[in-house]
Amino acid sequence: AQSVSQHNHHVILSEAASLELGCNYSYGGTVNLFWYVQYPGQHLQLLLKYFSGDPLVKGIKGFEAEFIKSKFSFNLRKPSVQWSDTAEYFCAVGPRGSTLGRLYFGRGTQLTVWP
Amino acid sequence: GAVVSQHPSWVICKSGTSVKIECRSLDFQATTMFWYRQFPKQSLMLMATSNEGSKATYEQGVEKDKFLINHASLTLSTLTVTSAHPEDSSFYICSARRTGTGDGYTFGSGTRLTVV
Repeated sequence: AQSVSQHNHHVILSEAASLELGCNYSYGGTVNLFWYVQYPGQHLQLLLKYFSGDPLVKGIKGFEAEFIKSKFSFNLRKPSVQWSDTAEYFCAVGPRGSTLGRLYFGRGTQLTVWP
Repeated sequence: GAVVSQHPSWVICKSGTSVKIECRSLDFQATTMFWYRQFPKQSLMLMATSNEGSKATYEQGVEKDKFLINHASLTLSTLTVTSAHPEDSSFYICSARRTGTGDGYTFGSGTRLTVV
């Protein structure tokens, strides 16, 4: 069965600290990978996505993620976080070629950045 | 960019009543819309997939008679929680898949439903 695991439920950092949020997935086929962010009171927004090609993808607001196929991982990174990065982050997997086109989400990681 | 409008953003209703949540794609046509439910501290769980003009496909364990989904046009899908009970209190989010772009998803802002 498909599943997405986010290892960290709540991460607390000081401004300028580096961030890495883990994401592993379980799926037997080819997938597209996504990271979404949800700021308090707002809707989910796409941070970045991976379909194919360079496994290191860069997204908005200085975020990047690396797809490591052998590890079924798609970890999110940012070298220096800001207070405004406080939000909940969701990793999602979409089976490629699926006629349904649904996404499978991890349970989310709450990031709190102290100024 | 693609925008999905979801409303109401929050609703409180009495147990036994029905609540309708709307999800509209404002500047694109969405052949497929997805309805997710998010419990506190948990992941988004897909409830159903709706395709314009056809019956929704429900995930296992989701009561189709309780969560009525209608996708009558390419820009509107509705979720009606019928005879709501306190255990239906949750955060419901829709997303729309943009036509012609197999991996383009846009999410609504979500609806916080509280059943008292």
